[in-house]
Amino acid sequence: DQQVKQNSPSLSVQEGRISILNCDYTNSMFDYFLWYKKYPAEGPTFLISISSIKDKNEDGRFTVFLNKSAKHLSLHIVPSQPGDSAVYFCADGDDMRFGAGTRLTVKP
Amino acid sequence: DAGVIQSPRHEVTEMGQEVTLRCKPISGHNSLFWYRQTMMRGLELLIYFNNNVPIDDSGMPEDRFSAKMPNASFSTLKIQPSEPRDSAVYFCASSLSREKLFFGSGTQLSVL
Repeated sequence: DQQVKQNSPSLSVQEGRISILNCDYTNSMFDYFLWYKKYPAEGPTFLISISSIKDKNEDGRFTVFLNKSAKHLSLHIVPSQPGDSAVYFCADGDDMRFGAGTRLTVKP
Repeated sequence: DAGVIQSPRHEVTEMGQEVTLRCKPISGHNSLFWYRQTMMRGLELLIYFNNNVPIDDSGMPEDRFSAKMPNASFSTLKIQPSEPRDSAVYFCASSLSREKLFFGSGTQLSVL
């Protein structure tokens, strides 16, 4: 059973709008989460992380929110750009297990 | 630093053959991970090593899969015998003290 779940396989948004990618986890003991971005024919690259002592972490256009009571985290991209089109993975920082990924397409 | 280096980049083999994938982690990193990416399951953790010692191999799908890390600068993932359902992209990643991972470019494996 997957410990980290991304239930939306794909998301399409218009350039300039907000992209929201979601991730749920099962183990309430997890205290560190990461988001990775993957372009075709490349390995995933680290994007942003969050520790459970925070409920929000921001880096430029990227913000990750953590809701511990709901065991849910989300990645917000504002404004979305065509270059953001990629597959996004969330992962728990304890077991280093990844969700199935969400393919984001940002349309010009 | 050259980053995590994986070889070969592409591998095409026939069912029943032995396949060996190779990985050179970033110098100084003490954790190494092997992942498999498929459309159905996304990125699956197969095994990870800490200081060259296998810590968690619960993701290794079958006895046909084995991984070794003889030293801090080299690891192999072997499939013997290979089957068509093993076709996937295999990634190696390394990290320092289980912080963020640095991935290689992957090996695209096709088993015919």
